[in-house]
Amino acid sequence: AQKVTQAQTEISVVEKEDVTLDCVYETRDTTYYLFWYKQPPSGELVFLIRRNSFDEQNEISGRYSWNFQKSTSSFNFTITASQVVDSAVYFCALSEDYRGDSSYKLIFGSGTRLLVRP
Amino acid sequence: EAQVTQNPRYLITVTGKKLTVTCSQNMNHEYMSWYRQDPGLGLRQIYYSMNVEVTDKGDVPEGYKVSRKEKRNFPLILESPSPNQTSLYFCASSLRGTPSGYTFGSGTRLTVV
Repeated sequence: AQKVTQAQTEISVVEKEDVTLDCVYETRDTTYYLFWYKQPPSGELVFLIRRNSFDEQNEISGRYSWNFQKSTSSFNFTITASQVVDSAVYFCALSEDYRGDSSYKLIFGSGTRLLVRP
Repeated sequence: EAQVTQNPRYLITVTGKKLTVTCSQNMNHEYMSWYRQDPGLGLRQIYYSMNVEVTDKGDVPEGYKVSRKEKRNFPLILESPSPNQTSLYFCASSLRGTPSGYTFGSGTRLTVV
């Protein structure tokens, strides 16, 4: 069965520190997609990134970077030089394949709450 | 603006009083889903719909109903709410066949007393 594990319930760092949020997934599908979402204190879900199972290139977007390793079934998220505005709950998610269609369901991890202190 | 609109944003109700949370999207997406978010559990799918008049249960459907009479609307119905349905609810929509990521509504915080 598909599953996403975010073992870090809460992380607290001081501003400007680098922080890595871990995500480990389980799936039997060969085609799948992985996502990261940010949920700031206001509550909405903000899409950060999508990665498909055939693309293991790491991605960098400003202070954000993602490391996808199929060998360890991990899709970790690093924030460099963290800022107070990065304080949020971060969710990793996996899309489940259904009859060749990977877009109908997201399976979420339990989330990691990141607190960045000034 | 492309969006998913949920209403209401906040709702406090009493046990057993039927309620409906509305969800509407303007992107002509085929897929729509309802999720609930609870502390320590992440988001769990309640129901989903792959198109008009096509709905199916997600992981936690008990106590909920949905309907999809029009492509843009996907209301969530609680016929007899109970306190264990106190949660944060999200509606989401997606274009079939292109996992471009879901578009989520702003959420509905429901409290059942």
